[in-house]
Amino acid sequence: GAGVSQSPSNKVTEKGKDVELRCDPISGHTALYWYRQSLGQGLEFLIYFQGNSAPDKSGLPSDRFSAERTGGSVSTLTIQRTQQEDSAVYLCASSAERMNTEAFFGQGTRLTVV
Amino acid sequence: GDSVTQMEGPVTLSEEAFLTINCTYTATGYPSLFWYVQYPGEGLQLLLKATKADDKGSNKGFEATYRKETTSFHLEKGSVQVSDSAVYFCALSERGGADGLTFGKGTHLIIQP
Repeated sequence: GAGVSQSPSNKVTEKGKDVELRCDPISGHTALYWYRQSLGQGLEFLIYFQGNSAPDKSGLPSDRFSAERTGGSVSTLTIQRTQQEDSAVYLCASSAERMNTEAFFGQGTRLTVV
Repeated sequence: GDSVTQMEGPVTLSEEAFLTINCTYTATGYPSLFWYVQYPGEGLQLLLKATKADDKGSNKGFEATYRKETTSFHLEKGSVQVSDSAVYFCALSERGGADGLTFGKGTHLIIQP
């Protein structure tokens, strides 16, 4: 597609429920990233996929968070047993390759846990 | 660990004013430095970048120079427009590319006509 597409754009969920957030990267981009933007905080790196390599999960805040990237394209970020502190905007980005390249960001999914 | 500090704002200026948004960083190595911009209702966009000391990144009238001696990457524009109103994020990456970006908290810029 023309840009990085994320769905849903907004999600309200009850505490304790699981949620799945989807990211469609730009076609042909091998690198995909997830970031989280919390109110009053900067953007926080969560996870990074590069081609078929094992993902860099160093930014995931807890074992309730996981992500997959199927077929080297679409990615799903899953948050299990959501907590109120998980409320944030979750941003996905992709780039053509890892080194010295521009990352293109989607508009994000605003998650609200009530 | 790595960190980026920038003025948080909001910064309110009149059209055609001179803009400076300060950004300083802490890193263990020699990072690449970036400015991203988020216009209302849109996703983050790369505004400019610099990959080594004394490099100057520029785009859309904005400039920033990689100053290793002061660990800074201040964003400047000589004459701002209402359309520049947005949130600006300073960021670094120690791995050269866009993975593992460390962002500042963002500076909300408001330009009044």
